[in-house]
Amino acid sequence: AQKITQTQPGMFVQEKEAVTLDCTYDTSDPSYGLFWYKQPSSGEMIFLIYQGSYDQQNATEGRYSLNFQKARKSANLVISASQLGDSAMYFCAMRGSVDFGTGTSLTVIP
Amino acid sequence: NAGVMQNPRHLVRRRGQEARLRCSPMKGHSHVYWYRQLPEEGLKFMVYLQKENIIDESGMPKERFSAEFPKEGPSILRIQQVVRGDSAAYFCASSRPHGDTEAFFGQGTRLTVV
Repeated sequence: AQKITQTQPGMFVQEKEAVTLDCTYDTSDPSYGLFWYKQPSSGEMIFLIYQGSYDQQNATEGRYSLNFQKARKSANLVISASQLGDSAMYFCAMRGSVDFGTGTSLTVIP
Repeated sequence: NAGVMQNPRHLVRRRGQEARLRCSPMKGHSHVYWYRQLPEEGLKFMVYLQKENIIDESGMPKERFSAEFPKEGPSILRIQQVVRGDSAAYFCASSRPHGDTEAFFGQGTRLTVV
């Protein structure tokens, strides 16, 4: 069985600052992957970034990066240089699992 | 993710009517997932389908809800005799074989039961 936990229901960050959104997971599979999705107020789900358990380096996509700590079973999303348009819900999900974390609501303050 | 098409975008039904939600996956994707999102909540898995097969329906309510993904045409999520509690956003996602890649989402259907 796999389980995803996001413990921060809401986060605030000043514009242009960096912010870390937490995600921990539990799995017995030796090979796995983590996804992050963004859901703005318009409602669509947007894929952001993927990290595989055997990837040697932390995944990065533009201003998004994953702080992947395998021993701690965490895959935190780091957003650098926050922009107002980053205000949204952020969901963590595990490859092969059909469930998502409960999400973190990020608000970027001007 | 614009490749996954859901329609209608908004659907209003009276209590007791039927709701039919459609999802056309991205080209080349043979796997479809349906999720429900209640206001202020996260996504809850409902059902995972391949063409003509239900792979996992562990998240589907036992009554009134059904899903199909026929050989030809879109996947359909059907809710019979809708109640106010069915009001939610229903998202469809598609992927290549389960677990191998990310799932791309449609824009959702917002069902309102009045």
